[in-house]
Amino acid sequence: ILNVEQSPQSLHVQEGDSTNFTCSFPSSNFYALHWYRWETAKSPEALFVMTLNGDEKKKGRISATLNTKEGYSYLYIKGSQPEDSATYLCASPNYGGSQGNLIFGKGTKLSVKP
Amino acid sequence: GAGVSQSPSNKVTEKGKDVELRCDPISGHTALYWYRQSLGQGLEFLIYFQGNSAPDKSGLPSDRFSAERTGGSVSTLTIQRTQQEDSAVYLCASSLRSGGTYNEQFFGPGTRLTVL
Repeated sequence: ILNVEQSPQSLHVQEGDSTNFTCSFPSSNFYALHWYRWETAKSPEALFVMTLNGDEKKKGRISATLNTKEGYSYLYIKGSQPEDSATYLCASPNYGGSQGNLIFGKGTKLSVKP
Repeated sequence: GAGVSQSPSNKVTEKGKDVELRCDPISGHTALYWYRQSLGQGLEFLIYFQGNSAPDKSGLPSDRFSAERTGGSVSTLTIQRTQQEDSAVYLCASSLRSGGTYNEQFFGPGTRLTVL
């Protein structure tokens, strides 16, 4: 089973700050990388699915990049707002995608102070 | 359309009791997954169902845990003789199919289980 790691574990920023955090995964047998956002008391919400080395995806103020050769993805939030406070999870399909379940990192918990 | 729903949203039980957690996936989704998040841990895979195939039970932590999916739709996760370490948020997710690149999984709001 592959190992997905995220850092930092938690992050506290002020409203308006831009921030970023990291997801690391094994570069061998890469299949896809998923980013989810999980707000307290709500369902985890899919942000991005990334597959190609060099991919960059954007949704509003949130963007993500992917480097499959070195095994990492960055998630960026520009001009953080209090509503961005959530735990951000990354995940990769198990066994190179042949198995259905995702292997998740422990998440980065972001708190944005107004 | 309706998303994934789970019930109950919260469950408090005494050690040694059995509990059942329910998941209603998105209509038409053939794959259904159960995960849990214990305090301080990441989302941990438990079991998944794909169509009529035998479920992948490789993530179940002990034989006290079982799950079934009736009619390819609703799923029930059963924990027998609950222990305090079973306390966690149990999440259900569904997707159009399992495996494949665009295996976007849609999650329910979870059931928070507390074992006293």
